[in-house]
Amino acid sequence: DTGVSQDPRHKITKRGQNVTFRCDPISEHNRLYWYRQTLGQGPEFLTYFQNEAQLEKSRLLSNRFSAERPKGSFSTLEIQRTEQGDSAMYLCASSPWDSRSSYNSPLHFGNGTRLTVT
Amino acid sequence: QKEVEQNSGPLSVPEGAIASLNCTYSDRVSQSFFWYRQYSGKSPELIMSIYSNGDKEDGRFTAQLNKASQYVSLLIRDSQPSDSATYLCATYRGGATNKLIFGTGTLLAVQP
Repeated sequence: DTGVSQDPRHKITKRGQNVTFRCDPISEHNRLYWYRQTLGQGPEFLTYFQNEAQLEKSRLLSNRFSAERPKGSFSTLEIQRTEQGDSAMYLCASSPWDSRSSYNSPLHFGNGTRLTVT
Repeated sequence: QKEVEQNSGPLSVPEGAIASLNCTYSDRVSQSFFWYRQYSGKSPELIMSIYSNGDKEDGRFTAQLNKASQYVSLLIRDSQPSDSATYLCATYRGGATNKLIFGTGTLLAVQP
């Protein structure tokens, strides 16, 4: 088990460009989450998938953001027409989920993708 | 009111002392609680999970949960300079959602 993998680690882009990030979760985990984190703040929820279904999306997420998990394995997060305010660390996390369990499992995070929009 | 509240710190303790980190949450139906450690520039790393009232110990770490008071804490015994990091408290919001909600984190500085 190699853990959650994110690519790229760093991305510098000019305002107005589109960017796409990839996340490969832990193989046996059926839930995959995307978070965004800025300096001095905790991770902020963006969206999550259970297998290939996107079950929840933050209301704070503008329509410039889209995420996919086409085969229930890896996921991509795309930001269109980037703005300077999009500069942040984008974190992917995964967890197992069992409907028989009374409790939710913790999330396991990847190393993140640091986005800088100039 | 924030869903998960933490004192941002910094909390400064001398090496070898006990560090006490506190967190309150607003959703009474929350069931699962987690503490993550985050070093500067790195991603969060899970250090403790707690689901039931009382204490849970793992090495130098003890998590404490009081659901009646909606309070969860983390004690770090024999603090080391390597424990210097931001500690994030997190809980799943109750109901139909499955979002893990984080506090803003408490910065701990252990002085050698």
